[in-house]
Amino acid sequence: EDKVVQSPLSLVVHEGDTVTLNCSYEVTNFRSLLWYKQEKKAPTFLFMLTSSGIEKKSGRLSSILDKKELFSILNITATQTGDSAVYLCAVERGSNYKLTFGKGTLLTVNP
Amino acid sequence: NAGVTQTPKFQVLKTGQSMTLQCAQDMNHNSMYWYRQDPGMGLRLIYYSASEGTTDKGEVPNGYNVSRLNKREFSLRLESAAPSQTSVYFCASSGSLSRTETQYFGPGTRLLVL
Repeated sequence: EDKVVQSPLSLVVHEGDTVTLNCSYEVTNFRSLLWYKQEKKAPTFLFMLTSSGIEKKSGRLSSILDKKELFSILNITATQTGDSAVYLCAVERGSNYKLTFGKGTLLTVNP
Repeated sequence: NAGVTQTPKFQVLKTGQSMTLQCAQDMNHNSMYWYRQDPGMGLRLIYYSASEGTTDKGEVPNGYNVSRLNKREFSLRLESAAPSQTSVYFCASSGSLSRTETQYFGPGTRLLVL
């Protein structure tokens, strides 16, 4: 059975802090790992990682994948209150492209 | 360009009632999906449609049926609602099954089954 485990489940930080969110996985026929940000409603896509060791960056957010150790991290530097959200990690199987999601990390950034 | 739209936004049902959740996309996407999200859980795939005319079961299909009415629309039906189906339901679409990174989500339907 495919498994995606995110840690921590919740995190409270102050504006300006740097945070690291973790995602470990076990999946048959791994194809990619995706990160989403979910505020009040629908998840929105952040990154897709397929190759080990290559960092993806978008502004203050960055992510990297380690296919040998089966995990990924999402870093957010200089956090802002607008970063408060649930961050979801999902892993895609190559055989059928289905996504298995982790439970998410609830990030709260206080002013 | 509305993206993915879902109706209704919120619904209350009694146990045993039936209802259909509607989803439409205007991005000319081939693939569409239905997920459910329970408190403290990630999204779980209920059913998906790789392309018009095809549907397949996901991780948690029991108690649900789907119809891919045309390329734009993908509906989810609960024939006999149960309290365990209380959840937030998200519809999503993507360019194709293999273009996972293009998967766009609708705003969700919050369903409460009493």
